[in-house]
Amino acid sequence: DTGVSQDPRHKITKRGQNVTFRCDPISEHNRLYWYRQTLGQGPEFLTYFQNEAQLEKSRLLSDRFSAERPKGSFSTLEIQRTEQGDSAMYLCASRPDRSTDTQYFGPGTRLTVL
Amino acid sequence: LAKTTQPISMDSYEGQEVNITCSHNNIATNDYITWYQQFPSQGPRFIIQGYKTKVTNEVASLFIPADRKSSTLSLPRVSLSDTAVYYCLVGVSYNTDKLIFGTGTRLQVFP
Repeated sequence: DTGVSQDPRHKITKRGQNVTFRCDPISEHNRLYWYRQTLGQGPEFLTYFQNEAQLEKSRLLSDRFSAERPKGSFSTLEIQRTEQGDSAMYLCASRPDRSTDTQYFGPGTRLTVL
Repeated sequence: LAKTTQPISMDSYEGQEVNITCSHNNIATNDYITWYQQFPSQGPRFIIQGYKTKVTNEVASLFIPADRKSSTLSLPRVSLSDTAVYYCLVGVSYNTDKLIFGTGTRLQVFP
């Protein structure tokens, strides 16, 4: 399978715990995106990278959230001191730099904070 | 960015043609219209994009009138596997970095 992969697919945690999600983009896709989706809503943009550089962060990305892409390949999204409001699907997408390609989404990580 | 309005939900039967209309009265001259499809527990998938008139691909057709204030996604002969949420996005082209989704239209196809 050469699509975007995300790990884990599901995560249940207790309030106050830290969680980390991983995204592996399609090979050679320079750009990588994180979105969050709550029940009944469309995805909301969180942040994106071009190679290692994080180029934009949404105001939704509070200080408890941090995203990295240290080698320009896979990315991690960490949430510290999780809150019940963090419960959502976290989606990753990637695309190459060339102008004619759309974003390809992974299956997402569903986070449940108890 | 132009605001979009689409029906919250639609029902259809297998084999029928489904048309989902999206209103975008404030669309700007440079804006494109893009549709995504999302199945449960999956990420969205690009379906089709257009600027004006009609665009067709192997999955769907997109009709855009001359004033571009609305657009219609047409799915020919739907099957059960077309049950999904369909999102209309305005203001994006293929290479936009920040996709802005609304709440979408939930299509339910019945046998």
